[in-house]
Amino acid sequence: GAGVSQSPSNKVTEKGKDVELRCDPISGHTALYWYRQRLGQGLEFLIYFQGNSAPDKSGLPSDRFSAERTGESVSTLTIQRTQQEDSAVYLCASSSGGQWETQYFGPGTRLLVL
Amino acid sequence: AQTVTQSQPEMSVQEAETVTLSCTYDTSESNYYLFWYKQPPSRQMILVIRQEAYKQQNATENRFSVNFQKAAKSFSLKISDSQLGDTAMYFCAFTPTSGTYKYIFGTGTRLKVLA
Repeated sequence: GAGVSQSPSNKVTEKGKDVELRCDPISGHTALYWYRQRLGQGLEFLIYFQGNSAPDKSGLPSDRFSAERTGESVSTLTIQRTQQEDSAVYLCASSSGGQWETQYFGPGTRLLVL
Repeated sequence: AQTVTQSQPEMSVQEAETVTLSCTYDTSESNYYLFWYKQPPSRQMILVIRQEAYKQQNATENRFSVNFQKAAKSFSLKISDSQLGDTAMYFCAFTPTSGTYKYIFGTGTRLKVLA
């Protein structure tokens, strides 16, 4: 079946603009994660969705970052008033449930803020 | 604070040889999960192997095995009979089993398998 997809694959924006990144998880996967990967660094957890439960937003770095997910479908990560330090690859992953389960990652969105 | 440390930014190994990638972590949790993920060049990240902290037996998946030392908070990955397709970034990750769904990843080890 289809894997996790993300769009756009690349995004160049000007400082101060808002951007919206999209993630399509694997069908039937109840859990969805967003991560940020800065150049040469590991993955930084941003947010976790599990079904209709309240999301775990503990990794969002500032109130400029927000994410939504409707049910078990598509998720969008929005960054408002982008800053140069937001430049990174944003990765989405989905899994079938608990933390033991394998996370299936998308190809990522490479964001460059000029 | 919970942290994951991978002290080897880059490693190389000859094809068919064995290589070990190190990972240490810091936590006060008694139960948690540990993972190794692989990110090949220009390809998506995939799970290599995982371990539950309360299981003493080291996990094994074909050519991949771990050496889990709970007291030392160490979780190294051994790759036997290295293949060219093993060339990738390898990330160690930790998540506690309660209280949060947060995963903490190390900074990665870039492994190059030489022909």
